Amino acid sequence: QSPLTQPPSASGSPGQSVTISCTGSTSDVGGYDYVSWYQQHPGKAPKLLIYEVNRRPSGVPDRFFGSKSATTASLIVSGLQAADDADYYCSSYAGNNTWLFGGGTRVTVL
Amino acid sequence: QVRLQESGPGLVKPSQTLSLNCTVSGGSITREGLYWTWIRQHPMRGLEWLGYIYHSGHTYYNPSLQSRITISFGTSKKQFSLSLASVTAADTAVYYCARGGTSRGWELPRFDQWGQGTLVTVSS
Repeated sequence: QSPLTQPPSASGSPGQSVTISCTGSTSDVGGYDYVSWYQQHPGKAPKLLIYEVNRRPSGVPDRFFGSKSATTASLIVSGLQAADDADYYCSSYAGNNTWLFGGGTRVTVL
Repeated sequence: QVRLQESGPGLVKPSQTLSLNCTVSGGSITREGLYWTWIRQHPMRGLEWLGYIYHSGHTYYNPSLQSRITISFGTSKKQFSLSLASVTAADTAVYYCARGGTSRGWELPRFDQWGQGTLVTVSS
């Protein structure tokens, strides 16, 4: 099982939007609606942002939006804020009770 | 609010067994629909799902670690543990325990609560 593919970096100015992609296969992202996104600040544990492609846990602002098309999932962060400067990881169910993560995307708020 | 805390040795010698515990507070570890999970993060790299134990005791592991990994509940009913045998330098990582939560009971989990992580270094 190969990790999901994410771009290593993305950036945007405050107030702008950034989109992060997460590419898998028909065996994972394309086969199930169990894609999650996590935000991780340096030295901290990851925090759940999005689950089941586009659901937000309580407390996560609607500036974070998830979607999926075929074998690629996307996370859109709109209205960029300084606090959004972090690493972002996607995750997908891969069948047989196994899970994959992406390699992570470093988002820089310029 | 559920809290998770990892504990265990920070240094393990090659070929030995890595053993970590996760103590859960603020919630029941035996509540139906929960998956108690181990995830690791290699230095400067991404996350890797290691496996989880369902509230019923059923375990599911990353196929790449199947022969070396065991996840189990502790006797205290407030802990679950990770055992990884025959470790090498490639097992050096920050190890996180996490809760795989569900809300409708039938769906697959999302990892919604995490411990702070503990660094384990494999070195002689």
